[in-house]
Amino acid sequence: AQTVTQSQPEMSVQEAETVTLSCTYDTSENNYYLFWYKQPPSRQMILVIRQEAYKQQNATENRFSVNFQKAAKSFSLKISDSQLGDTAMYFCAFMKQGGATNKLIFGTGTLLAVQP
Amino acid sequence: KAGVTQTPRYLIKTRGQQVTLSCSPISGHRSVSWYQQTPGQGLQFLFEYFSETQRNKGNFPGRFSGRQFSNSRSEMNVSTLELGDSALYLCASSSYPGVGGYEQYFGPGTRLTVT
Repeated sequence: AQTVTQSQPEMSVQEAETVTLSCTYDTSENNYYLFWYKQPPSRQMILVIRQEAYKQQNATENRFSVNFQKAAKSFSLKISDSQLGDTAMYFCAFMKQGGATNKLIFGTGTLLAVQP
Repeated sequence: KAGVTQTPRYLIKTRGQQVTLSCSPISGHRSVSWYQQTPGQGLQFLFEYFSETQRNKGNFPGRFSGRQFSNSRSEMNVSTLELGDSALYLCASSSYPGVGGYEQYFGPGTRLTVT
């Protein structure tokens, strides 16, 4: 069975600063996907960034980037130039590749507060 | 394109009752997944449907069931409600799963309160 662990329940960062959210996972699979989802207060969950395990290059989406360490089973999210709108709960998630399924296994989340 | 819609948005039920939640996926999306979100257990996978067939099921009791219609709309049903069923129920839709990894688009959720 796969598990996803987010060890930081809450984090705070000043506007325009950089913050890194941690995520580790456990799996015996070799092929999988990893995701970071953002859930703003009382708003819908949206995908921030996605990483295919077979790709060595770390994914980047504008101010968001990941540090994917497959051997260490680590998948951290770096947010640069933090903005007030980045305040949200961030979930790390795992999806097995193959088996024609979209089942996501989520971590417990990190509540990020961006301070003005 | 309209996003994923869920109805109702809020629901209050009494223990022992049953409830039906509805999810309309993004047009063209054929895969619908359901998740339960609670403060204590976090986000947990309930089940996934594709082309009216249940493809995967999470570790929930048989009181939780679902179905998908030919237009890809999905419903989930919880019978004999318990206090612990109080949660935010999220629906997510995706295009054909294929080998997986496709982005899932989440709805706003249905907030169920059981008293």
